[in-house]
Amino acid sequence: AQSVTQLDSHVSVSEGTPVLLRCNYSSSYSPSLFWYVQHPNKGLQLLLKYTSAATLVKGINGFEAEFKKSETSFHLTKPSAHMSDAAEYFCVWGAPMGSSASKIIFGSGTRLSIRP
Amino acid sequence: DTGVSQDPRHKITKRGQNVTFRCDPISEHNRLYWYRQTLGQGPEFLTYFQNEAQLEKSRLLSDRFSAERPKGSFSTLEIQRTEQGDSAMYLCASSLGVGAGEQYFGPGTRLTVT
Repeated sequence: AQSVTQLDSHVSVSEGTPVLLRCNYSSSYSPSLFWYVQHPNKGLQLLLKYTSAATLVKGINGFEAEFKKSETSFHLTKPSAHMSDAAEYFCVWGAPMGSSASKIIFGSGTRLSIRP
Repeated sequence: DTGVSQDPRHKITKRGQNVTFRCDPISEHNRLYWYRQTLGQGPEFLTYFQNEAQLEKSRLLSDRFSAERPKGSFSTLEIQRTEQGDSAMYLCASSLGVGAGEQYFGPGTRLTVT
C-alpha cells in the first residue's frame, strides 16, 4: 500500500538555524512526492514537488528536498529558518507523472516552531 | 482573487441536521477534490471529480455524504443526519490535467456538530 510517514510530529529550531523535516514513503513504484505547508487559518500551499526529474528539488521560500530511492526518503530542508516558517508541513504521496490516477495521500504532518 | 473559494467558512449545526458546503474551483481546472481534516491529522481524501464525473470515492464517504459537480464547475458536498464525528475541516482543491499534479486548496469549511 502507498503511504508516507512523517517521522516527527513537532520540530522546534532557533531562527537562523537549519531546518530538517523528515519523510519516508512506501510505494510499489516510483511515486510523485510533494511537500505542502499550512499556515494557521490559511489554505494549504505547495512548497515543492518531485516528479522523477532531478532528485534535488528546489521550492519556494528557500526550501528544498532530496528524493533518495535507496532510503525511500524525501526530507525537507532549509539552510536558515525564519520566523515566518512556523507552520504545519505535510509530506504527500502521489501516483507517478504520466499516470491518470489523481488521488494523493497526506502524511500526518510536522508542526515547525521557530524560537527567536 | 482567482483561487479556490469555499462557502461557508464556518458552520455550526446540531446533530441530525443536514448541511451543504460549496466549492468554487479555479475556473480552468477540470479536476476537483474534497478532503476532510481533523485536528492534528493530515487531510484525508474523500472524493474527486473530473469535469462533472465523480471518478473515485473513499470508504470514508458514508451513505450520508454526497457530492455533486453538476456542470463541471462548482461542487457541493452534503452531509445528511450529521453526527458529532463529522466535526472537521472540509477542504476543497482543484487541479488541471491528469495525474497527481499540483492541487490548489481552498481555505476550508470548518464544521462543528453539537
